[in-house]
Amino acid sequence: DGGITQSPKYLFRKEGQNVTLSCEQNLNHDAMYWYRQDPGQGLRLIYYSQIVNDFQKGDIAEGYSVSREKKESFPLTVTSAQKNPTAFYLCASSNSRTSGNTIYFGEGSWLTVV
Amino acid sequence: AQSVAQPEDQVNVAEGNPLTVKCTYSVSGNPYLFWYVQYPNRGLQFLLKYITGDNLVKGSYGFEAEFNKSQTSFHLKKPSALVSDSALYFCAVRDGTAPLVFGKGTRLSVIA
Repeated sequence: DGGITQSPKYLFRKEGQNVTLSCEQNLNHDAMYWYRQDPGQGLRLIYYSQIVNDFQKGDIAEGYSVSREKKESFPLTVTSAQKNPTAFYLCASSNSRTSGNTIYFGEGSWLTVV
Repeated sequence: AQSVAQPEDQVNVAEGNPLTVKCTYSVSGNPYLFWYVQYPNRGLQFLLKYITGDNLVKGSYGFEAEFNKSQTSFHLKKPSALVSDSALYFCAVRDGTAPLVFGKGTRLSVIA
């Protein structure tokens, strides 16, 4: 099956703990993205990467980190510096070489602080 | 900077009636406009997009959207709503190959 796989679907974080959300795609897309979704606020961009070994901060990067060591993978780490991490996290990917290309999304991961 | 506004948090429509979900945008260059749908606890599904050309764009599940440059709008429409269309709808704009910028979403409720 081709697509974007996010794991785990549900994750619980204790105070002071770092957690990592996985995102893998087999669509051969160059670009990958992480968005955060909170009720009533739409989706906000955390980080994105248009090529392996390079990534850029989005609008709300503080308290998050990413890596892009392989084209297929773009994991997101939510660090203890992120004070309000409870949210729905969405990974996405696209072919970045043409303007206006469609961005496709994974099924999302819920992160809850306990 | 680009931005998108969805002026309605909630739209209610009776099954079988036409539906419209509104979206206006602001972008400095040529607009690339998108509509996505989200069902509960799921990711976003792509419905349709406007790149260039015909102002009426047809997409998945019978949805269409009308691009209006003078009004900077990109409203989503469907001639006859189904209960299964009830979901959260997002309008988004993309500047070239930059990431999508989303509106806050509109919750559509289709009542039988």
